[in-house]
Amino acid sequence: QKEVEQDPGPLSVPEGAIVSLNCTYSNSAFQYFMWYRQYSRKGPELLMYTYSSGNKEDGRFTAQVDKSSKYISLFIRDSQPSDSATYLCAMRGAGGSYIPTFGRGTSLIVHP
Amino acid sequence: DVKVTQSSRYLVKRTGEKVFLECVQDMDHENMFWYRQDPGLGLRLIYFSYDVKMKEKGDIPEGYSVSREKKERFSLILESASTNQTSMYLCASSLGFAGELFFGEGSRLTVL
Repeated sequence: QKEVEQDPGPLSVPEGAIVSLNCTYSNSAFQYFMWYRQYSRKGPELLMYTYSSGNKEDGRFTAQVDKSSKYISLFIRDSQPSDSATYLCAMRGAGGSYIPTFGRGTSLIVHP
Repeated sequence: DVKVTQSSRYLVKRTGEKVFLECVQDMDHENMFWYRQDPGLGLRLIYFSYDVKMKEKGDIPEGYSVSREKKERFSLILESASTNQTSMYLCASSLGFAGELFFGEGSRLTVL
């Protein structure tokens, strides 16, 4: 079992839909949780960065962390075709372990 | 804005050739990383460096070496390229232990 599990998709939704992307993990030492967005033929870019449990909102994006269930989510409201990309979750522990562990990424397609 | 530049976006090499992939960052980051990204396998860490002339093996260092002679530059070397090294290679940098990773646009290497 990988430390971080993420369904590769693809996930296809109509424009305007609410999208839910998820990752599960097994390492209870993870404290920092990130979502990266990667457009085709580009490098990943950081979308959301959260610490410990709770929600964080940024525009149409909400990141949610449930440490008790070892489950994180990224919600996208009013999805747009420009949101079509691969979304990678990443997480790491505190202190010296600063190398993040990545999920495999979920491919999202938002069709007009 | 932080910029991580990978000098070659697309390369085609022959089996047995020595390959150099160059990465330069312009934000004085201590940490630099090399990943490879393959469909279904996600991002896998090859090597990282937390200081000039320092290097640490990642998850899949076999067949690769790295060089960091200057803080801003981190090179990935394939001493004798093989077809199973055909992949997308991503360079990243980060500031300090808690910093986010900034990625380059990637170098797509094909080994024939």
